[in-house]
Amino acid sequence: GIQVEQSPPDLILQEGANSTLRCNFSDSVNNLQWFHQNPWGQLINLFYIPSGTKQNGRLSATTVATERYSLLYISSSQTTDSGVYFCAVVSWNQAGTALIFGKGTTLSVSS
Amino acid sequence: SQTIHQWPATLVQPVGSPLSLECTVEGTSNPNLYWYRQAAGRGLQLLFYSVGIGQISSEVPQNLSASRPQDRQFILSSKKLLLSDSGFYLCAWSITGINEKLFFGSGTQLSVL
Repeated sequence: GIQVEQSPPDLILQEGANSTLRCNFSDSVNNLQWFHQNPWGQLINLFYIPSGTKQNGRLSATTVATERYSLLYISSSQTTDSGVYFCAVVSWNQAGTALIFGKGTTLSVSS
Repeated sequence: SQTIHQWPATLVQPVGSPLSLECTVEGTSNPNLYWYRQAAGRGLQLLFYSVGIGQISSEVPQNLSASRPQDRQFILSSKKLLLSDSGFYLCAWSITGINEKLFFGSGTQLSVL
């Protein structure tokens, strides 16, 4: 099946810093999403972005489908950005429609 | 607007006891429904998904089963829990279409002792 790799596994930032999280995938995809899991376990959908670029406030995401990677940018980070960021994909060659998740990037933002 | 309800929030069960976790979605029809499990400090593992009533696909052979008795109801069950069933269980839904975003419930923390 499709493999999803995220990097870095852990990231520690000072408030106000910028960061880039990466997601590599091993097959062509028709669905790619980024999620944020807060310290209480709630998963929030950040972006649906199988290709192209999207922005939402301080967050933006870019997926280069032909090169099989996606990037999540966090600018001017805040302590509330802390948590785990997951990338999840559905491959064109995958049976079914369920998202396959990477292992996540754990972000800690300190004041 | 659509909402997803998952309960209970936490559950402590002895080994060998049965399990029933319930998830319901409101505000939409014919959703795709999913059960994921997250072990401590790890990513999300897909357990089951359903594209319609009575249609269940299992991704991982295990001690668990799922059922969809109604369009917007998804149930995760076990007849006899194992220690290895401990984890954070998440229900999720999506709608087949151009923008198949996935939305999660608040999760159930299951501890099997």
